[in-house]
Formats: sequence, C-alpha cells, structure tokens
Amino acid sequence: DTAVSQTPKYLVTQMGNDKSIKCEQNLGHDTMYWYKQDSKKFLKIMFSYNNKELIINETVPNRFSPKSPDKAHLNLHINSLELGDSAVYFCASSRAGTGGNYGYTFGSGTRLTVV
Amino acid sequence: AQSVTQLDSHVSVSEGTPVLLRCNYSSSYSPSLFWYVQHPNKGLQLLLKYTSAATLVKGINGFEAEFKKSETSFHLTKPSAHMSDAAEYFCVVSDRNSGGGADGLTFGKGTHLIIQP
Repeated sequence: DTAVSQTPKYLVTQMGNDKSIKCEQNLGHDTMYWYKQDSKKFLKIMFSYNNKELIINETVPNRFSPKSPDKAHLNLHINSLELGDSAVYFCASSRAGTGGNYGYTFGSGTRLTVV
Repeated sequence: AQSVTQLDSHVSVSEGTPVLLRCNYSSSYSPSLFWYVQHPNKGLQLLLKYTSAATLVKGINGFEAEFKKSETSFHLTKPSAHMSDAAEYFCVVSDRNSGGGADGLTFGKGTHLIIQP
C-alpha cells in the first residue's frame, strides 16, 4: 500500500492553463506539506497544513493555492501556469508537529512541465 | 534560523570503497538532522535521522552518520559502496524547539553520488 500518493506522476501543460495535483496519505498523519524541487534539485517548502489548517505559507505566488478537504488530503491548485513553474512537486506528511523529530514520508513526486 | 551546507555537489567512488558525504549545519536550537536519498526519477526516502539520542546513527542499506556538535557536522558514511547507492543525497535540518505545529525542514542542495564499476 502506498503511504503518500500523488497524482498525476507527470503533467505537461501549456502556459496560462490551470492545473491541480492531488495528494493523499493513509498513514493517519495530521500534517501534510508541499515541496518544490527545481531543476538544480533544490527542495524548498511551499506550504504545510496541520489538521486542515494552513500553518506554513512560504513566499509562493498566490497563483498557487493549497486545499485540504480533510487531514488525509492536500491538493495543490495552480492558476495561470508559467514556464518557471516547471519543477517536481513533492507531497509529504508527518505526525502532528513531529516532522522535525521524525522526518517526513514523501510521495513519489509530480513532474510538471509547462510549455 | 537554520541552514545546511553540503560541501560536495558530486562525489565519485569505486564500487567496494568507502563513501563519505559531508554535511555541516547551523541551527538556533537543538537540531534534528536527517539524510534522505533520491534515486533517479524517484521520490525521497529517509536513510537515517538524529534526534538527540545516540550521536552515531545507523540507517538503512549500511549507511551511518555521526552527529558532532563541536564541529556542527553530520557526515554520512558507508564502508563499502554498491552500484545501487548511486543517487542524490540530501542532508536536512530541523529546529526541534523553534515552535510547535507543522514545522518545515531545510534541505541542503544535495550531493550526487556516482559509483564507478
């Protein structure tokens, strides 16, 4: 059973489109995250949610909007896609407030290519 | 504030020889430290973690790391490299006492490990 699953695995789309990436975890974790990995492999946190409440919102354009319908899901919606949004997006989860102690469980990533 | 520096962007070793991936960190509080591995086109897998227990931490696949507070280092080692170890390795820090809630991790820029046959 996949612990943190993301869909789709690959996403190719044109500039200006709106797209969503879905994430689900079956670990019973309370906290979920979105990370972005750029072309140089650098990983940076975008958002984190604790029990459906937004906790961390880094300096991300407001075209990116996370949605957490319940604590097992954290979706990422992106409006008006730009070339610079091309990256690999990772979803992750951890037990509440313990990501710093026990680390995260990551999904396998969504490779977004904007053309 | 926290940061992590991986001193080598690429490391190349021969199969069967030791591996050393270097990491230095800075943290305002007592840090938790992690090593993650990312194989090509795959997600991130936790190799090992340090969270204030024993300073020598053993992880999966024969990897281990030693937390040295005086040197602010958390280097990753393996006695004998295997071809399957070829991957990207990330050193990660978190300030455990920087506040509760959904804490974020700070990643290093990664070290690409190449294994020569």
